[in-house]
Amino acid sequence: GQQVMQIPQYQHVQEGEDFTTYCNSSTTLSNIQWYKQRPGGHPVFLIQLVKSGEVKKQKRLTFQFGEAKKNSSLHITATQTTDVGTYFCALPFGNEKLTFGTGTRLTIIP
Amino acid sequence: DTEVTQTPKHLVMGMTNKKSLKCEQHMGHRAMYWYKQKAKKPPELMFVYSYEKLSINESVPSRFSPECPNSSLLNLHLHALQPEDSALYLCASSLGGRGTEAFFGQGTRLTVV
Repeated sequence: GQQVMQIPQYQHVQEGEDFTTYCNSSTTLSNIQWYKQRPGGHPVFLIQLVKSGEVKKQKRLTFQFGEAKKNSSLHITATQTTDVGTYFCALPFGNEKLTFGTGTRLTIIP
Repeated sequence: DTEVTQTPKHLVMGMTNKKSLKCEQHMGHRAMYWYKQKAKKPPELMFVYSYEKLSINESVPSRFSPECPNSSLLNLHLHALQPEDSALYLCASSLGGRGTEAFFGQGTRLTVV
């Protein structure tokens, strides 16, 4: 089936450093979603991007959708220990199918 | 109420057992999903129900049998599972259609012995 690559697979940062994860698709997307899963938890919706080149911000999180709508990024400024978890992009295929990217696991060194 | 409730939270079952996982939502969502997640892997889609009808089966083995008794409930019946089926099973729901966020339950952590 479809595989959506995210890079990096793991990221360890000092608290206060920035973090970025990238999601790449081989096909043009209608939209893209981002989810966060805390250790031992379940995925929680963060945001959806729809328009080419769209940039959305949520406090320290900045989400971007590529101009060609084939890639997206999530950037966290000045990470905090509460940012720990795995960040997944999720791509819709067809009307109901939602396929998750491979994920980036973020750990924070206090 | 923006919750998706899954029961049980943990389940240990033998390979000859029959058990069921349950999922409930009261958000009026028309799409409900079962995902399987192995450790350090992304959730993998298993089944999608749309308006209480099975719309997607991702070639899941028949030892997993989904059921949608009504628009609020989703079950996953398990029979003759293998140890490699041990995983976190996540239920989710959404309004349906493209571009609608999915709400996930806390999952059932299944161990097959």
